[in-house]
Amino acid sequence: VMTQSPDSLAVSLGERATINCKSSQSVLYRSNNKNHVAWYQQRPGQPPKLLIYWASTRDSGVPDRFSGSGSGTDFTLTINSLQPEDVADYYCQQYYTTPCSFGKGNKLEIK
Amino acid sequence: QVQLVESGGGLVKPGGSLRLSCAASGFTFSDYYMRWIRQAPGKGLEWVSDISASSTNINYADSVKGRFTISRDNAKNSLYLQMNSLRVEDTALYFCVKDKNPYFQKLVIGDAFDIWGQGTAVIVSS
Repeated sequence: VMTQSPDSLAVSLGERATINCKSSQSVLYRSNNKNHVAWYQQRPGQPPKLLIYWASTRDSGVPDRFSGSGSGTDFTLTINSLQPEDVADYYCQQYYTTPCSFGKGNKLEIK
Repeated sequence: QVQLVESGGGLVKPGGSLRLSCAASGFTFSDYYMRWIRQAPGKGLEWVSDISASSTNINYADSVKGRFTISRDNAKNSLYLQMNSLRVEDTALYFCVKDKNPYFQKLVIGDAFDIWGQGTAVIVSS
């Protein structure tokens, strides 16, 4: 089970947004020393877009203001210098166990 | 470019059936696990089913087991979801998704999903 917090947050343009995700069990796979966590952005009316995988690796084309951190059971998505186009829902996902599971999502708005 | 295009959604009465299709292009389809993810109106993301590259490993969410059947045709670069005995709670946007890594680079079955289709809407209502 992936638990995201807060449910929603409002941040001023240019400021930093932080979204947390906690797994009910460790998602660190010892064989490759990688945390099996991904983060997605879903803008209104669009499918989700992969932002981060292996907890901290940005997918191709993702702006470097997006970063992921954490290990084991606690993970964070940080968005620096918030832009208007960052208004979206954000989901974490664990893919260490089958089936994969998603957090319930966080809604990010502009203050 | 890499693309997934779903089709086959629609309005159906409870107990009815639908067959969803997903046409893949721009990558070697036969090298990847493929999955269906759904999103009920105003809700979060829910994994539905997945199928290995060679169709030898198939998994279903408990909520759809026994009613849905996933399949693929690697010659046609296509993924399918046969949905029978549909329930009101199956109403959702159904996404076809591609794994980030091909099967031969994976240590676990799971993966991040780097390509999503636009989704096809399934509405189950009387």
